[in-house]
Amino acid sequence: AQSVSQHNHHVILSEAASLELGCNYSYGGTVNLFWYVQYPGQHLQLLLKYFSGDPLVKGIKGFEAEFIKSKFSFNLRKPSVQWSDTAEYFCAPGGGNKLTFGTGTQLKVEL
Amino acid sequence: KAGVTQTPRYLIKTRGQQVTLSCSPISGHRSVSWYQQTPGQGLQFLFEYFSETQRNKGNFPGRFSGRQFSNSRSEMNVSTLELGDSALYLCASSLTSDATYNEQFFGPGTRLTVL
Repeated sequence: AQSVSQHNHHVILSEAASLELGCNYSYGGTVNLFWYVQYPGQHLQLLLKYFSGDPLVKGIKGFEAEFIKSKFSFNLRKPSVQWSDTAEYFCAPGGGNKLTFGTGTQLKVEL
Repeated sequence: KAGVTQTPRYLIKTRGQQVTLSCSPISGHRSVSWYQQTPGQGLQFLFEYFSETQRNKGNFPGRFSGRQFSNSRSEMNVSTLELGDSALYLCASSLTSDATYNEQFFGPGTRLTVL
């Protein structure tokens, strides 16, 4: 059975600070990895995805994530956060269209 | 290109009633998946439909059902509503069902409140 663990439930950062959100998963078989973001009052949007190839993937708005197969991890990073990055972030491994979402990390960026 | 649309956006029902939610995928997308989002359980996969056939199913009771029409629009139905069914129900569409390089696009959701 697949499972996913997001280590940080609430993160508060100041603008320009660096961000790293942890995600570990357990999944049998070929897995695709996604990070989704939900801005206040908006619907879920894809931030970035990993299917195969280069384990360092880049997404929208300066976000990137690194797939480390040996650690079953897919951590999200951003070198310098902005106030507009305030949102909830979800890690979601999956096969096909059946995604298993993590519990989410609520990020608040303060000015 | 229009995004995923869900109707209605808000619903209030009472226990024991049934409800039907609708989802129109992005034009050309043939797969529709449904998720339930609650503060306690987070986002959980309900089921996926592709070409009018259920392809995957999550761990939800039989009160939760769905279907897909030939134009790829999908409906999900919840019968005998319980208080715990109060949630945001999200629909996601994608081009195909099993492709390795697939990705899903989410709609705004339907907020269901059961009183």
